[in-house]
Amino acid sequence: AQKVTQAQTEISVVEKEDVTLDCVYETRDTTYYLFWYKQPPSGELVFLIRRNSFDEQNEISGRYSWNFQKSTSSFNFTITASQVVDSAVYFCALTNAGGTSYGKLTFGQGTILTVHP
Amino acid sequence: EADIYQTPRYLVIGTGKKITLECSQTMGHDKMYWYQQDPGMELHLIHYSYGVNSTEKGDLSSESTVSRIRTEHFPLTLESARPSHTSQYLCASRGRVLYGYTFGSGTRLTVV
Repeated sequence: AQKVTQAQTEISVVEKEDVTLDCVYETRDTTYYLFWYKQPPSGELVFLIRRNSFDEQNEISGRYSWNFQKSTSSFNFTITASQVVDSAVYFCALTNAGGTSYGKLTFGQGTILTVHP
Repeated sequence: EADIYQTPRYLVIGTGKKITLECSQTMGHDKMYWYQQDPGMELHLIHYSYGVNSTEKGDLSSESTVSRIRTEHFPLTLESARPSHTSQYLCASRGRVLYGYTFGSGTRLTVV
């Protein structure tokens, strides 16, 4: 079985603040992928980033960065200098390469991010 | 430009009606999925298919049914809609690459 936990239900920040969204996952598989998705009010899921279990190198892409740590099973996502347009629900997700969860994408509960002007 | 299409985008329907939510993709993906998203946000897998004539129930029990007669088409049907079915339904597909998921825009269903 696999599980994704996003402990932060809602986060509220003021524009230009940095904000980190937490994600903790559980899986028995050694090969897996982790994702972050953004869901604006219109409802569609927008893919942001992904990481495979063999690559713990953390990266920065524009205002987005992520911190993947297998030792703590965490995959945190940071938005630098937040903007009002970043307001949305953010989902962390996990898929395994094997077992009964093969190919199924398991989502966390979601974090509502509100960026105030 | 979307490669996976869901129709209708919004649907308000009365209790007891039969409805079919459409999902089509043009990428030739074998794997297709239906997720249900309650107003409380969490997304749950309710059906998936790994190819034509293959359908499986997901992690969350659902009264809906699905079919996969053609690779590109994965419709979801509710024989008798109830207010408890009010939710957003998201369709997704994936090719051979494990991480290559594509999501549709979703159908927001309201049963009154």
